[in-house]
Amino acid sequence: SQTIHQWPATLVQPVGSPLSLECTVEGTSNPNLYWYRQAAGRGLQLLFYSVGIGQISSEVPQNLSASRPQDRQFILSSKKLLLSDSGFYLCACPGDHGYTFGSGTRLTVV
Amino acid sequence: GENVEQHPSTLSVQEGDSAVIKCTYSDSASNYFPWYKQELGKRPQLIIDIRSNVGEKKDQRIAVTLNKTAKHFSLHITETQPEDSAVYFCAASKSNYQLIWGAGTKLIIKP
Repeated sequence: SQTIHQWPATLVQPVGSPLSLECTVEGTSNPNLYWYRQAAGRGLQLLFYSVGIGQISSEVPQNLSASRPQDRQFILSSKKLLLSDSGFYLCACPGDHGYTFGSGTRLTVV
Repeated sequence: GENVEQHPSTLSVQEGDSAVIKCTYSDSASNYFPWYKQELGKRPQLIIDIRSNVGEKKDQRIAVTLNKTAKHFSLHITETQPEDSAVYFCAASKSNYQLIWGAGTKLIIKP
């Protein structure tokens, strides 16, 4: 079964600063990968998904971007963070039984 | 496209009682229905899932029922315990890929 590594676990960043969150997957090849954001007390908002290297689909217009430079690497970025970018960011990969999630990054923009 | 609605948004039950969370979906082609539990500050984790070729699945105190005609499925937790307190999410998909998520139910177990 696959394992998802996600870092950092927590991050406090000032408004206007850049962002880079990384997700790597073990135990599978050519996976579909997803980035979700969860605001405090809210549900899962799909931000981006990727079906392969260099292939990114954006679900929600925003100041975030994603890249897939390698088969098992998925990166979420921003050039200038907004206060509204605060939240819990989760990387996910489908398997035989639903999705496996990374442990998440809690981002606070101050 | 698919739309999943989940009710209630918050559910408070006495410890030992049963809890039921319901979801409806719109796309009759959906064939996979998982349930996830998310404890505070943690990642969602799969607790049970069901495919459209069965009507019910049970795992100890947890069960899921599926009504394909009515396009709804439910999570049942019996003999609730304090550790069942969490947010529960339902989801649906036509394949094992892109899940469409419900908005979540916060389950509170009162001692």
